[in-house]
Amino acid sequence: DQQVKQNSPSLSVQEGRISILNCDYTNSMFDYFLWYKKYPAEGPTFLISISSIKDKNEDGRFTVFLNKSAKHLSLHIVPSQPGDSAVYFCAATASNTGKLIFGQGTTLQVKP
Amino acid sequence: NAGVMQNPRHLVRRRGQEARLRCSPMKGHSHVYWYRQLPEEGLKFMVYLQKENIIDESGMPKERFSAEFPKEGPSILRIQQVVRGDSAAYFCASSPNRGDGETQYFGPGTRLLVL
Repeated sequence: DQQVKQNSPSLSVQEGRISILNCDYTNSMFDYFLWYKKYPAEGPTFLISISSIKDKNEDGRFTVFLNKSAKHLSLHIVPSQPGDSAVYFCAATASNTGKLIFGQGTTLQVKP
Repeated sequence: NAGVMQNPRHLVRRRGQEARLRCSPMKGHSHVYWYRQLPEEGLKFMVYLQKENIIDESGMPKERFSAEFPKEGPSILRIQQVVRGDSAAYFCASSPNRGDGETQYFGPGTRLLVL
């Protein structure tokens, strides 16, 4: 039972353009969502998070949007840079559990 | 402030041997989580520990796997009698408090290869 889904295995965008990565979830108990970036042979690096009481959180070039009614969140990166090329994981957690449930990841390639 | 540390970074074992993976959380963090990433998959939760306590081990295989986080020293993930299917990247994360509403910070991982 895949509670967090990233349906696009890969995404390719041109440098300077916007990258939009999507994530869907099924468990309505999830109340905190995170995006991690991962390079090969390294651990996931925290990017940005959002609580279920908000619908948007912005940090520099990264913005996360949450649509609770659709159980959908997205990560926007603008402008995209070649150094953003990596695997991006969406994760969710519910209060009183502690554990993160991850999506399968989306590989982003930003072309110069 | 050092991040989450894991060692070894790479571990090779033959079938039937034991694997011990170590994790030192970030300074000031008392909550530790272990995740496993199989090839071509996302990270899967294994176990959540606080000092001297296992809080949630719902993601741990029923046999051969165990975890501890003693009062002193690193957290240890132990795999007995390893099999080829145990080959994966094992990541440890830590947070200052329980993970709800708290970001978990990950270590670089231990890549286990079972021959």
